[in-house]
Amino acid sequence: EVQLVESGGGLVQPGGSLRLSCAASGFTFSNYWMNWVRQAPGKGLEWVANIKQDGSDKYYVDSVKGRFTISRDNAKNSLYLQMNSLRAEDTAVYYCARGNCLYWGQGTLVTVSS
Amino acid sequence: DIQMTQSPSSLSASVGDRVIITCRASQSISSNLNWHQQKPGKAPKVLIYAASSLQSGVPSRFSGSGSGTDFTLTISSLQPEDFATYYCQQSYSTPLTFGPGTKVDIK
Repeated sequence: EVQLVESGGGLVQPGGSLRLSCAASGFTFSNYWMNWVRQAPGKGLEWVANIKQDGSDKYYVDSVKGRFTISRDNAKNSLYLQMNSLRAEDTAVYYCARGNCLYWGQGTLVTVSS
Repeated sequence: DIQMTQSPSSLSASVGDRVIITCRASQSISSNLNWHQQKPGKAPKVLIYAASSLQSGVPSRFSGSGSGTDFTLTISSLQPEDFATYYCQQSYSTPLTFGPGTKVDIK
């Protein structure tokens, strides 16, 4: 069974940093692109970033370029999102999703507020 | 970037009704279209992938059709557990983009 479990969310002040993790199991992690998708409170879904199987290619939505970094550790079956210079508008539930978003984790809430 | 639109943005329906939701892409995406269902406080769950393929475990009352720029999600007989928000999503190119959602609630 495919499982994706996010962690690392919490309350952070504007300008602060947070690192999200996603632990994958039930499939060969190194065979898939992986994504981060977020959902602000009461809003729709917004793709944030993705990373190729070997980590050689990474893409970001314009609003997070230069502030967020996606990475992965295939030996640990884990996906990460380093978030720096956080803003109030980054407040959202962050989901990791496999491949073309056919499998999702349960999400982790990031709140940016003073 | 490919823009996704959905209609209607919301609808009210009764148990047993046939429900159709449409999704349009700003350019051709072939059949690279997924449909997701999301209930309040829960993660999205894929119902249909590649425009018309039913995800394992999803009831057969859900079906998808279309290719190119125009797509539909049909629920043949709405059940109480189907009241939720539905999103289309293109997987043709990065950035992956989602429609704004269609909220289905009880009439």
